[in-house]
Amino acid sequence: IQMTQSPSTLPASIGDRVTITCRASQNIGRWLAWYQQKPGKAPKLLIYDASSLESGVPSRFSGSGSGTDFTLTISSLQPDDFASYYCQQYNTYSVTFGPGTKVHVK
Amino acid sequence: QVQLQESGPGLVKPSETLSLTCAVSGFSISSGSYWAWIRQPPGKGLEWIGSIYSSGTAYYNSSLENRVSMSIDTSKSQFSLSLTSVAAADTAIYFCSRHPHRISAHVNWGQGTLVTVSS
Repeated sequence: IQMTQSPSTLPASIGDRVTITCRASQNIGRWLAWYQQKPGKAPKLLIYDASSLESGVPSRFSGSGSGTDFTLTISSLQPDDFASYYCQQYNTYSVTFGPGTKVHVK
Repeated sequence: QVQLQESGPGLVKPSETLSLTCAVSGFSISSGSYWAWIRQPPGKGLEWIGSIYSSGTAYYNSSLENRVSMSIDTSKSQFSLSLTSVAAADTAIYFCSRHPHRISAHVNWGQGTLVTVSS
């Protein structure tokens, strides 16, 4: 299963509402996760099962979608949110990741 | 809390075998979770390599399965990765991770270790 993300880069400002889109090449139900990764660090799980917020993750992060189209939304961008974001499908045991979206300062 | 720590050589010669170990603490490796290896070439995206269950049953990315094997040592609370016949394209940061079920997100990650393939 191939995963695509858009945009690949996203210039944004503090307080902005940010939306990242992920598309799967076939129906994956709701078996989708979102990760945040900062330079030199491991990915951090934000959202699982398309819309469930991982424990400890701020509520400004939310996920939606099912089937082939999914969205990660940051309701009000904070300084700590400048990072790369990856979607991951786990509909099958052979998981695949999207190419990533880098959120940077406008 | 769950902690994972990768270890192994940072430099491997072409055609040789890459071997890494992930030490697990704060969580029983025999608990029923799955344990995985994921890699990331510098500046690029993430690629799942394979996963292993506490029983030793492993499954791999089809693009690598002829070169990869994983093992688990529950007595030492660690699992390992072996990748044979490495080339420059295998240069990457290698992460170990935990996913609670065969089909689930990866909840815990190690900090990653950079492995460079070069003569």
